[in-house]
Amino acid sequence: DTGVSQDPRHKITKRGQNVTFRCDPISEHNRLYWYRQTLGQGPEFLTYFQNEAQLEKSRLLSDRFSAERPKGSFSTLEIQRTEQGDSAMYLCASSPFTGGSEKLFFGSGTQLSVL
Amino acid sequence: DQQVKQNSPSLSVQEGRISILNCDYTNSMFDYFLWYKKYPAEGPTFLISISSIKDKNEDGRFTVFLNKSAKHLSLHIVPSQPGDSAVYFCAAPREGGSQGNLIFGKGTKLSVKP
Repeated sequence: DTGVSQDPRHKITKRGQNVTFRCDPISEHNRLYWYRQTLGQGPEFLTYFQNEAQLEKSRLLSDRFSAERPKGSFSTLEIQRTEQGDSAMYLCASSPFTGGSEKLFFGSGTQLSVL
Repeated sequence: DQQVKQNSPSLSVQEGRISILNCDYTNSMFDYFLWYKKYPAEGPTFLISISSIKDKNEDGRFTVFLNKSAKHLSLHIVPSQPGDSAVYFCAAPREGGSQGNLIFGKGTKLSVKP
């Protein structure tokens, strides 16, 4: 399977703990995105990498959130001092983008529950 | 103001009939629009897109229509099949953002009954 892979699929944590999620994009894709989706809502953009450079961050992304893509391949999203409002599905997507409309290929997501 | 709105949370149709999913938007400067389909426990999957300079795009059973004057687009599925049962999201790239910085609607859950 050469799709976008996310790990773990589910994470339950206590408020105040730190969590880290990993995303492995499709290997030839140079663009990587993180989104967050809560129940009854569409996905919301969080951040974007082109290769290893983080080029865009949403205002939704508080200082407790940090994302990296150290070698332009896999990416990690860390949430420090989790809050109950962080409970959501965290989706990673990648794209080869060659011009025109950009099609994102999403992973199955990491479901975070903060107790 | 940049919003994409899907005002119908759910839609139920009979197998073989047409499904019409609607989407409204607020920003006339959106370059193109996309539809994604999402099954439970999976990430969204790209379905079809349409450029803002076109009024129709067709791909097999799926056709998207764009009415720029009304700031409205619709996805038609003909004929509908039970495997089409999923949540459908309308999206557009945020003006001033990267191409993959998409604004999604809340989605419409389509149920196709055999």
